[in-house]
Amino acid sequence: DGGITQSPKYLFRKEGQNVTLSCEQNLNHDAMYWYRQDPGQGLRLIYYSQIVNDFQKGDIAEGYSVSREKKESFPLTVTSAQKNPTAFYLCASSASGGDNQPQHFGDGTRLSIL
Amino acid sequence: AQSVTQLGSHVSVSEGALVLLRCNYSSSVPPYLFWYVQYPNQGLQLLLKYTSAATLVKGINGFEAEFKKSETSFHLTKPSAHMSDAAEYFCAVSEGQAGTALIFGKGTTLSVSS
Repeated sequence: DGGITQSPKYLFRKEGQNVTLSCEQNLNHDAMYWYRQDPGQGLRLIYYSQIVNDFQKGDIAEGYSVSREKKESFPLTVTSAQKNPTAFYLCASSASGGDNQPQHFGDGTRLSIL
Repeated sequence: AQSVTQLGSHVSVSEGALVLLRCNYSSSVPPYLFWYVQYPNQGLQLLLKYTSAATLVKGINGFEAEFKKSETSFHLTKPSAHMSDAAEYFCAVSEGQAGTALIFGKGTTLSVSS
């Protein structure tokens, strides 16, 4: 079955450490997204990519970095500059060709601070 | 800029009762609107989407939503709640360009009591 795989499901970060969250999709979608979810705040956009080797900052990009070297993969790095990284991180993808294309979501990674 | 407001962060109903989750949007162009459901520690699942073909949209699990341009609303309803409907629900609007991210409301948690 086609879908989006996020790993790991749970991740712990030490002070001063960078961590990378994995997101892989086999839906052949061009666009991919990273959201951060905090209780009561809904989903906030971190980065998105419409095509390989190109990506744009979202509303809360500070302290995060991404790459898009392959169509299937869109890893997110949470750097030590992100002072409050504890959250639930969701990756999504969508087909191109119109803004009525729904986004498909992975099951998320929960990041906590040690 | 487009935005979404979900009225009521928490809604409680009895099993068998009507479910009504409210969503209002602001947009300077005809919007594309979506409802998603999220179960604990999981990603988001698409319930339904409005893409201007019909104002009353039917989705999965017996949910439906009606687009009312005059009220800038897209409320989600279900005639009879089931215990399995207990989850968090998000309304989202498209920014209007292919491959761009959705703008999400802050979510409404639905509780269903027996």
